[in-house]
Amino acid sequence: EAGVAQSPRYKIIEKRQSVAFWCNPISGHATLYWYQQILGQGPKLLIQFQNNGVVDDSQLPKDRFSAERLKGVDSTLKIQPAKLEDSAVYLCASSSYDKTSGANVLTFGAGSRLTVL
Amino acid sequence: AQSVTQPDIHITVSEGASLELRCNYSYGATPYLFWYVQSPGQGLQLLLKYFSGDTLVQGIKGFEAEFKRSQSSFNLRKPSVHWSDAAEYFCAVGPPSGGSYIPTFGRGTSLIVHP
Repeated sequence: EAGVAQSPRYKIIEKRQSVAFWCNPISGHATLYWYQQILGQGPKLLIQFQNNGVVDDSQLPKDRFSAERLKGVDSTLKIQPAKLEDSAVYLCASSSYDKTSGANVLTFGAGSRLTVL
Repeated sequence: AQSVTQPDIHITVSEGASLELRCNYSYGATPYLFWYVQSPGQGLQLLLKYFSGDTLVQGIKGFEAEFKRSQSSFNLRKPSVHWSDAAEYFCAVGPPSGGSYIPTFGRGTSLIVHP
């Protein structure tokens, strides 16, 4: 099966500009996640969608970050305005239900690397 | 709240040597546990997972991990490291809640392999 697709792979912007990242999950995966991975740290969850509804966005900085998944498939993550500390890799993941364990198993995309100057 | 500690930022081993990467977690019950690997410029790939049952789990690429409840640990091991194993390794923990989980990741351990 095709993996999780993300674009763009790299983006360089100046602070206060805006940027958007796109994610296409694995076909049939109902749950989609956006993670932020700052250099030298582990990924941190920003938002989780179940179909087109938000399950958890408690760590999303809502004053500048927004995300949507209008038709329950593709998702976009937007940052406006960007700050220097937003420089990171933004990882998208989608999950399927593991019948054996009763849990969801995440598959990650390659990520979108953002540099804010 | 759940948390994960990977005490080693970097680990250096010689090719062919054995490897053990440490992971300790904090959670009130038995969590779901995972190890992921991230090669440069790539996303995270699942190596193995523990949900219940046998505490020694086998994963891909010859990796295994052992869940030790008494030590709140889930260390990753490989008997003989290959140069292609050089990468960043992340331990993650997730609560078994309602059939879904949101993994919390450790900061990662960078594996360097010397020829």
